[in-house]
Amino acid sequence: DTEVTQTPKHLVMGMTNKKSLKCEQHMGHRAMYWYKQKAKKPPELMFVYSYEKLSINESVPSRFSPECPNSSLLNLHLHALQPEDSALYLCASSQNTLNTEAFFGQGTRLTVV
Amino acid sequence: GENVEQHPSTLSVQEGDSAVIKCTYSDSASNYFPWYKQELGKRPQLIIDIRSNVGEKKDQRIAVTLNKTAKHFSLHITETQPEDSAVYFCAASEENNDMRFGAGTRLTVKP
Repeated sequence: DTEVTQTPKHLVMGMTNKKSLKCEQHMGHRAMYWYKQKAKKPPELMFVYSYEKLSINESVPSRFSPECPNSSLLNLHLHALQPEDSALYLCASSQNTLNTEAFFGQGTRLTVV
Repeated sequence: GENVEQHPSTLSVQEGDSAVIKCTYSDSASNYFPWYKQELGKRPQLIIDIRSNVGEKKDQRIAVTLNKTAKHFSLHITETQPEDSAVYFCAASEENNDMRFGAGTRLTVKP
């Protein structure tokens, strides 16, 4: 299994809603990432988890809250988002912290209304 | 933090020609340089990567070169085919997986 699975594929939420994005991998990878990608732009790093511990937080607003319940799962909790937060949210994983190939999920296309 | 610049932003070639995309990075501590291909509406997928202890790597029609002194690395695609059309991103990271992407190059291969 070389898949990173993200759910949901699409999400529309209001600015007062609370929602969560989910990411799962069963490759035994110990590094997991959240990226944000706006249209015609590169992925922007948001968070990195290494061995289930948050190792990088790229000054992301607190309305985005990551969680890594175990080595296979990564969540991104969303609360009080703004329309400018609408984007494709990509999860990725890699084997360890020593810079190996990152496998990306298909992403969740988020629209904030 | 790391800053990766990528050129050109768009590239159009005739089928069978070669395509070259160039990137520069700022942090001399970066030691891993992957290239990703992203087709429209799809996830980024790794096509080739290189580490700082290697100057060149080749995989069939794709090659990457790295000049650590100048802090630049390049992607070379030979004998391009229409299915090579996509957006290509270079990236750079240090030991802690803080992979940062260049702005991307939209490659169009005309049949």
